[in-house]
Amino acid sequence: EVVLTQSPGTLSLSPGERATLSCRASRTISSSYLAWYQQKPGQAPRLLVYAASSRAAGIPDRFTGSGSGTDFTLTISRLEPEDFGVYYCQQCGGSPLSFGGGTKVEVK
Amino acid sequence: QVQLVQSGAEAKKPGASVKLSCKASGYTFTDYAIHWVRQAPGQSLEWMGWINAGLGNTRYSQNFQDRVTFTRDSSASTAYLELSGLRSEDTATYYCARAIVATIGTEFDYWGQGSLVTVSS
Repeated sequence: EVVLTQSPGTLSLSPGERATLSCRASRTISSSYLAWYQQKPGQAPRLLVYAASSRAAGIPDRFTGSGSGTDFTLTISRLEPEDFGVYYCQQCGGSPLSFGGGTKVEVK
Repeated sequence: QVQLVQSGAEAKKPGASVKLSCKASGYTFTDYAIHWVRQAPGQSLEWMGWINAGLGNTRYSQNFQDRVTFTRDSSASTAYLELSGLRSEDTATYYCARAIVATIGTEFDYWGQGSLVTVSS
């Protein structure tokens, strides 16, 4: 099973600032099989990025995914008020699928 | 537009079973898979497995293999999750999510709104 470790656990930032979220895998995974989701309180997760760097439909270009091997990053270039929430990475390269523990992006 | 609408909240006693539904619309149900993911309060997401909505074959996470059953009714575009032997640790929001039919490369592009299951004596 691939274990995904996200850091930091919490990121306290102000609107307009840049957010950098990390996801580290316990073993190498193909970049084709790494996705990022955003979840707001009381809502289901929403797909942001798939295949490590491809934005899902309707996702603004301030969200950028990158990385390969065991280290992946989600960057939000300038935080908008609606971007605060919890972000999860997911590996979908084989069973069992797995998610990271999440990074909470909160208002500073 | 693609929608996955899940059944409502359930309150169950330990040892009971629960059956949740996930009704799909806005796409051809049998062309995709439905995955089930749960989230305990304040916790991360846990993958439970998936069902090929077309063929009906299933794959379960080992964590649930002996207690969970996925089924579907293609005529109603609805997928079901049944979880037996409920215990307090099963208290969680259960989500269905759509993905392509594949064993890899299966990110979830649409999610249901979630069904809260509370297990308490």
